[in-house]
Amino acid sequence: EVQLLESGGGLVQPGGSLRLSCAASGFTFSNYAMSWVRQAPGRGLEWVSVISGSSPSTYYADSVKGRFTISRDNSNNTLYLQMDSLRVDDTAVYYCATRVGGYWFPFDHWGQGTLVTVSS
Amino acid sequence: DIVMTQSPATLSVSPGERATLSCRASQSISNNLAWYQQKPGQAPRLLIYGTSTRATGIPARFSGSGSGTEFTLTISSLQSEDFAVYYCQQYNDWPPLTFGGGTKVEIK
Repeated sequence: EVQLLESGGGLVQPGGSLRLSCAASGFTFSNYAMSWVRQAPGRGLEWVSVISGSSPSTYYADSVKGRFTISRDNSNNTLYLQMDSLRVDDTAVYYCATRVGGYWFPFDHWGQGTLVTVSS
Repeated sequence: DIVMTQSPATLSVSPGERATLSCRASQSISNNLAWYQQKPGQAPRLLIYGTSTRATGIPARFSGSGSGTEFTLTISSLQSEDFAVYYCQQYNDWPPLTFGGGTKVEIK
């Protein structure tokens, strides 16, 4: 069974940093692209970033480019999102997501999410 | 960027009735369109991909159609567990991947 478990969320001040993790199991992690998607309170879904499976290529939404860094550790089946220079409008539930068994998209597996709150 | 526009924002439907949700892309996305269902406090769940292919375990009452810029999700006979928010997503032209703003299906 595919499982994705995010961690690392919490309260941080504007301008601060946070690193999210997503522990994956139940599939060959290194074979699949992984993404982060966020959802601000009461709002819709916003794609944040994607990283390919191996020899990683990375892509970002303009709203986070230059501030967030996606990475992965295939030996430990873990996805990361390093978030720097955080802003109040980065407040959201952050989900890791993937498509297992096909192209990179759409997302057939999601984690339960981790809440990031940026506030002074 | 491709803008995805969903309508209506809220759809009030009685159990057992048919629901029709619309999604429009700002430019052609071929058939690279997915639909997700999200219930409060839960992660989204993939319903439909490739415009009309049901994801694993999705009941046959969910169907998708369309092409180019106009797409539809139809729920043939609403069950109590179907009341939720539905999002469309294009994955034809990225980055960025883009989602619609959502349609909330509520009990009439």
